[in-house]
Amino acid sequence: AQTVTQSQPEMSVQEAETVTLSCTYDTSENNYYLFWYKQPPSRQMILVIRQEAYKQQNATENRFSVNFQKAAKSFSLKISDSQLGDTAMYFCAFIWNNAGNMLTFGGGTRLMVKP
Amino acid sequence: DAGITQSPRYKITETGRQVTLMCHQTWSHSYMFWYRQDLGHGLRLIYYSAAADITDKGEVPDGYVVSRSKTENFPLTLESATRSQTSVYFCASSEIDSSYEQYFGPGTRLTVT
Repeated sequence: AQTVTQSQPEMSVQEAETVTLSCTYDTSENNYYLFWYKQPPSRQMILVIRQEAYKQQNATENRFSVNFQKAAKSFSLKISDSQLGDTAMYFCAFIWNNAGNMLTFGGGTRLMVKP
Repeated sequence: DAGITQSPRYKITETGRQVTLMCHQTWSHSYMFWYRQDLGHGLRLIYYSAAADITDKGEVPDGYVVSRSKTENFPLTLESATRSQTSVYFCASSEIDSSYEQYFGPGTRLTVT
């Protein structure tokens, strides 16, 4: 069974600074995808960034980037120039080929951006 | 409006009652999912459907029933609600492609008293 672990239940960062959220996963599969979803107070789940396991290059979306370490099964999210609107729950998620498109989520990290 | 909608957004019910949560998507996505979100557990998959009339169990299916007679609708029924089913329920959909991206509805907060 696949598992996803987020070891930081809560984090805070000052506005304009950089923060890194951790995620580790356990799988015996070789072809899979990893995601970070953001859930602001509105509860809406928003895809932040996606990483294909077969790609060595780390994914980047504007201020959001990942550090994907396949051998270590680690997938951290770095948020640069943090903004107040980044305050949210962040979920790491995993999906593997032939899994019926089923996502496995971590328990989440609550991020507070302070002015 | 295009997208994925859920109704109701909030529901309070009593133990033992039957409750149905509705999910509708306008993209004609093949896959649809139901998750529940509880503190400390993230989102856990209840049931999913790969196409109309095809459904399968997820991680926590006990106490729930689903159906999918039309591609765009995927209702979730709690046949006899229990307090442990108090949660926020999310519906999601995705297409059969290499992105695996799931699109989520706004969620339904269900309280069982």
